[in-house]
Amino acid sequence: DTGVSQDPRHKITKRGQNVTFRCDPISEHNRLYWYRQTLGQGPEFLTYFQNEAQLEKSRLLSDRFSAERPKGSFSTLEIQRTEQGDSAMYLCASSPGAGVTYEQYFGPGTRLTVT
Amino acid sequence: QKEVEQDPGPLSVPEGAIVSLNCTYSNSAFQYFMWYRQYSRKGPELLMYTYSSGNKEDGRFTAQVDKSSKYISLFIRDSQPSDSATYLCAMSAGTGRRALTFGSGTRLQVQP
Repeated sequence: DTGVSQDPRHKITKRGQNVTFRCDPISEHNRLYWYRQTLGQGPEFLTYFQNEAQLEKSRLLSDRFSAERPKGSFSTLEIQRTEQGDSAMYLCASSPGAGVTYEQYFGPGTRLTVT
Repeated sequence: QKEVEQDPGPLSVPEGAIVSLNCTYSNSAFQYFMWYRQYSRKGPELLMYTYSSGNKEDGRFTAQVDKSSKYISLFIRDSQPSDSATYLCAMSAGTGRRALTFGSGTRLQVQP
């Protein structure tokens, strides 16, 4: 499978715990994105990397959230001191770096439940 | 008011019908438009990608963009039960800013 992969697919955690999610983009895609999706809503942008540089961050990305892409390949999204409001699907997407193109290809998502 | 508005549905049609899905938007800077299909508890799958105004056809799917009216549409011909999913429109202003702005999605049910 050469698509975007995410791990884990499901995570249940207790309020106050830290969680970390991983995303592996499509190979050769140097752009990587994180979104959050709650039930009945479209995905909301969190942050964007070009190679290892984090170029855009949404106001949704509070200081409890941190994302990294240390070698320009896979990325991690960490949420510290989770709250019940963090329960959502966390989606990763990637896109090619060449040319003027804005389409993004999504992974299957990580569903987070905070109890 | 949201930047992108989309009727949540559900929209229920018989198999074989032509389906019309629509989004309106308020930001005149949007110039890249996408339609995604999302099955329950899965990630969005890119269906159509268009730039600026006009039509684009791919198999049973046709995407239309009318920038003057700030209105985009997705038409599905000969709809199948396997088309039952949530359809999300997404758009970007380009100019280097990469974040997509999504509608809330329209749930489609194609009855066999």
